[in-house]
Amino acid sequence: QSVLTQPPSASGTPGQRVTISCSGSSSNIGSNYVYWYQHLPGTAPKLLIYRNNQRPSGVPDRFSGSKSGTSASLAISGLRSEDEADYYCATWDDSLSGVLFGGGTKLTVL
Amino acid sequence: QVQLVESGGGVVQPGRSLRLSCAASGFTFSTYGMYWVRQAPGKGLEWVALIWYDGTYKYYADSVKGRFTISRDNSKNTLYLQMNSLRAEDTAVYYCARGPWGGVTDAHFDYWGQGTLVTVSS
Repeated sequence: QSVLTQPPSASGTPGQRVTISCSGSSSNIGSNYVYWYQHLPGTAPKLLIYRNNQRPSGVPDRFSGSKSGTSASLAISGLRSEDEADYYCATWDDSLSGVLFGGGTKLTVL
Repeated sequence: QVQLVESGGGVVQPGRSLRLSCAASGFTFSTYGMYWVRQAPGKGLEWVALIWYDGTYKYYADSVKGRFTISRDNSKNTLYLQMNSLRAEDTAVYYCARGPWGGVTDAHFDYWGQGTLVTVSS
């Protein structure tokens, strides 16, 4: 069981907006930046959001991130079939002196 | 362009050792922290280890501490992971990833390799 808690699954229809939550504690999300990764099976994970809410170049503005206290969330608007993937939040944990990943959320586009 | 290419994976018996390599190109390797991340079959991503740009500091997940050693050769632009006393639960795809510039501990991985599969089985 991961210290960062994500829902195991999420779903939506094309064009909808979905959000994925990530809950942590004061030693991780509460005091460090949150990152979001998209992972398609058999491929390298891809950085989607860095420093809580910044998008790398090339990532569509349909993807957005936010953080409040010890929780963070990833929002995907205008859902598309190619968004079907696993999504992970990640952050540094000061108590563990290491990186934490959430358990991952499998997004299904219905 | 930035490229990270892992190698060294394979099938190994429990208790044996294996060394993974990650060849980096397209950026100034000696100025970035480097990480290993793994994914066991049917499981999520798990951070394994990180090393500062100059090798000064190294951090490990509790699950591998004392068994795995991360190192780098900046003259060869190569990252390594020496894995000893391997267990069945170490079976996973191992990815190397580029971390933050300079001496920063963070979860910012902007480039990843394609991964190399390690299978620990008798």
